[in-house]
Amino acid sequence: QKEVEQDPGPLSVPEGAIVSLNCTYSNSAFQYFMWYRQYSRKGPELLMYTYSSGNKEDGRFTAQVDKSSKYISLFIRDSQPSDSATYLCAMKATGGFKTIFGAGTRLFVKA
Amino acid sequence: DVKVTQSSRYLVKRTGEKVFLECVQDMDHENMFWYRQDPGLGLRLIYFSYDVKMKEKGDIPEGYSVSREKKERFSLILESASTNQTSMYLCASSSALGVGEKLFFGSGTQLSVL
Repeated sequence: QKEVEQDPGPLSVPEGAIVSLNCTYSNSAFQYFMWYRQYSRKGPELLMYTYSSGNKEDGRFTAQVDKSSKYISLFIRDSQPSDSATYLCAMKATGGFKTIFGAGTRLFVKA
Repeated sequence: DVKVTQSSRYLVKRTGEKVFLECVQDMDHENMFWYRQDPGLGLRLIYFSYDVKMKEKGDIPEGYSVSREKKERFSLILESASTNQTSMYLCASSSALGVGEKLFFGSGTQLSVL
C-alpha cells in the first residue's frame, strides 16, 4: 500500500465550477500537508501549505486536513482555464527529511 | 526571483552511457534533492544533500550517485544508463529540514535512454 493515495484523473470541469481534489494517507506521523501545482513541462510549485488539522484559505483555494480520517482536500472555487495543471498532494512528518508525494491529479478546466 | 536551474530540458542517451544531470540553485539553500517523476507513481526521492559533500539515499538510489562539491550545485550521475531510467528528473532545493519546508523545483530534465 502506498503511503499517499491520489486519484490521477484526469478531471475535466467547465469554467466556473468548484473543483475538489483529494488524497488519503496511511502514516499518522504526517504533520505537514502541502499542495503543489505543476504546469505542463514545468516543475511543481507550492500552492498551499497546512500544518496539522484544519482549513486554510488563499483566494480561490482552500486546503482542508482531516487527520482523524487521514484525508486531505484542495478546493478550487470559480475555476479558470489557467487552473488546468497537475495537482500533487505532499506530506511530511515532523523531524523527517522526506516529503512524500501523491501521484498527482490532472485537471482540465474548459472555457 | 528564486531559481533552480537544470542544465538540460531533454536528453537522449544510449544504454550503458554515463549520464550527468546538473542542477544549480541561487537561493543559498542548504538542502538539495533529486526526484524522478513517472506517470502513476508521482515523485520519488533518489538522493538528497543537506550540506556540501554530504548525501543521503532516498527511496530509489540504485543505479544513481550524486555529487555536491559546492553549495549551489548538485549533480545526479547515472553510472551506466538503462532503459528503466527513462524518466523526468526534477531537482529541488529548500532552506530547512525537519519542518514543513517549501521545496523549490527546477523545470525538469526529460531523459530518454535507448
